[in-house]
Amino acid sequence: AQSVSQHNHHVILSEAASLELGCNYSYGGTVNLFWYVQYPGQHLQLLLKYFSGDPLVKGIKGFEAEFIKSKFSFNLRKPSVQWSDTAEYFCAVGFTGGGNKLTFGTGTQLKVEL
Amino acid sequence: GAVVSQHPSWVICKSGTSVKIECRSLDFQATTMFWYRQFPKQSLMLMATSNEGSKATYEQGVEKDKFLINHASLTLSTLTVTSAHPEDSSFYICSAIGLAGGGEQFFGPGTRLTVL
Repeated sequence: AQSVSQHNHHVILSEAASLELGCNYSYGGTVNLFWYVQYPGQHLQLLLKYFSGDPLVKGIKGFEAEFIKSKFSFNLRKPSVQWSDTAEYFCAVGFTGGGNKLTFGTGTQLKVEL
Repeated sequence: GAVVSQHPSWVICKSGTSVKIECRSLDFQATTMFWYRQFPKQSLMLMATSNEGSKATYEQGVEKDKFLINHASLTLSTLTVTSAHPEDSSFYICSAIGLAGGGEQFFGPGTRLTVL
């Protein structure tokens, strides 16, 4: 069965530090890739998505992610985090034939300290 | 942007009773809605896919007779937890995809269910 894994469960960074959150999936076919963010007390919001084309995608709030097909990875990056980036980040993958269904990773709790 | 609401935001019920949770797309029509369950400090687990005008498709291991889903219109899907037990206590989240598709799911704020 297809699966999605996020390597970091908890990350603590200081403001202005760079961020990279890992996401890997297991599936040999075509995928659609998403990163969602959940701020404290709020609902999930889309940060960015990849369907096809340029494997480096830019999202909102300065986030970007790179799809590396050979590594089955879709890591999220931000060059300089802010305190307001404190949230939980979920990687999600839609698999071919899945009918728009998404499989979510376990999430990464990011805490940014002043 | 597209907004999805859920009602109620939290509910406490006695064991053996049924609870209905509503999911509405407020400013768009949704042919497909999804219901997820999220345990504390864990990821979202897809329970079922709800298509307007047809029966829901349940994921493996999800009891369809326990978690009744109705998608009566393009803006409303309901999840009814029947004969609730304490192990059904969880955070239930719905999402919706608009008619335009595009694959992006818009998520509701979730409903916290506590069964005593």
